[in-house]
Amino acid sequence: EVQLLESGGGLVQPGGSLRLSCAASGFTFSTYAMAWVRQAPGKGLLWVSSISGDGGGTYYADSVKGRFTISRDNSKNTLYLQMNSLRAEDTAVYYCARITSFDYWGQGSLVTVSS
Amino acid sequence: QSALTQPASVSGSPGQSITISCTGTNSDIGGYNYISWYQQHPGKAPKLMISEVSNRPSGVSNRFSGSKSGNTASLTISGLQAEDEADYYCSSYASSSTWLFGGGTKLTVL
Repeated sequence: EVQLLESGGGLVQPGGSLRLSCAASGFTFSTYAMAWVRQAPGKGLLWVSSISGDGGGTYYADSVKGRFTISRDNSKNTLYLQMNSLRAEDTAVYYCARITSFDYWGQGSLVTVSS
Repeated sequence: QSALTQPASVSGSPGQSITISCTGTNSDIGGYNYISWYQQHPGKAPKLMISEVSNRPSGVSNRFSGSKSGNTASLTISGLQAEDEADYYCSSYASSSTWLFGGGTKLTVL
């Protein structure tokens, strides 16, 4: 059974940093590209970033480029999102998902940016 | 990186059929067949309902179907049931290895 489990969310002040993790199981992690998708309270889904199976290709939405870094450790079956210079508008539930069809999603991790 | 365009809301009575549209451009929906649809109930993670325009994953009811014409993709739900009431989102691969989602459509079963 495919499972994705996010962790690392919480309350952080504007300008602060946070690292999200997504532990994967039930499939050959290294053979799949992965993505982070966020959903602000009461809003729709927004693609944030994605990474190729071997980690050699990384891609970002314009709104997070230069502030967020996606990475993965295939030996640990874990996906990461390092978020720096956080802003109030980054407040959202962050989901990790397997692509190309976003066929499996984690339960989400809430990130709140507030003073 | 503009979102794909979906109607904010649609509604239908039990047993009826409804269609949700998702409009993009030649650079996303019109240019690729990596178009998917998701169902999201309140407080839950999205669930894949349709992938690659019209493929239905195992376990998804055959009442759900997808199609594409030009720059517009569509999700049709036939034989509406109360449990279908949810938010629905489309997604598409876009240029330069990026992805777009639609703004979401709230389906109300009357």
